[in-house]
Amino acid sequence: GAGVSQTPSNKVTEKGKYVELRCDPISGHTALYWYRQSLGQGPEFLIYFQGTGAADDSGLPNDRFFAVRPEGSVSTLKIQRTERGDSAVYLCASSLTARYSYNEQFFGPGTRLTVL
Amino acid sequence: TQLLEQSPQFLSIQEGENLTVYCNSSSVFSSLQWYRQEPGEGPVLLVTVVTGGEVKKLKRLTFQFGDARKDSSLHITAAQPGDTGLYLCAGARSNDYKLSFGAGTTVTVRA
Repeated sequence: GAGVSQTPSNKVTEKGKYVELRCDPISGHTALYWYRQSLGQGPEFLIYFQGTGAADDSGLPNDRFFAVRPEGSVSTLKIQRTERGDSAVYLCASSLTARYSYNEQFFGPGTRLTVL
Repeated sequence: TQLLEQSPQFLSIQEGENLTVYCNSSSVFSSLQWYRQEPGEGPVLLVTVVTGGEVKKLKRLTFQFGDARKDSSLHITAAQPGDTGLYLCAGARSNDYKLSFGAGTTVTVRA
């Protein structure tokens, strides 16, 4: 079956602009996660959804970052007034459920965001 | 500050040699996962360990979870060029669904 897909694969924008990054999880997966990976680092947690609601958004760096998942499937990560420090690879992952702490998360290929 | 410390950061070996990557923390994890990531792609799950002292084998890869569930290791026997990649460990603490990742170990296997 299809894995997690993310669009666009690359996004170049100018400082101060608004961007949207999209994630299509594996069909039937109720939990969805966003992570950010900077060069030479492991992914860092941003936000997690169980169904339509954001169950944990403690990793969002500030109020310029926002994510939605209106129908419990596709999710969009939105970044306002982008800054050069936002440049990174944004990864999306999904899991069948988040009920257990050993739920296995499956990652998409990521969106590489470059803010000039 | 990373919750999980991986070592070494870089590892370059000849085909046929063995290697071990370590993942350490002062925190207890209810599960620990190992991923491999190639350039331009997302991490791919290799294994999940959940029981202290657990050992899992995946062909030439052996994964061990420490007795206290604070550390883990990945051992590759007779490494091949196809094993080249970034190896990441990630832990989930009890009642916490997000993963905390180490910074990764870049493994290069020379033919």
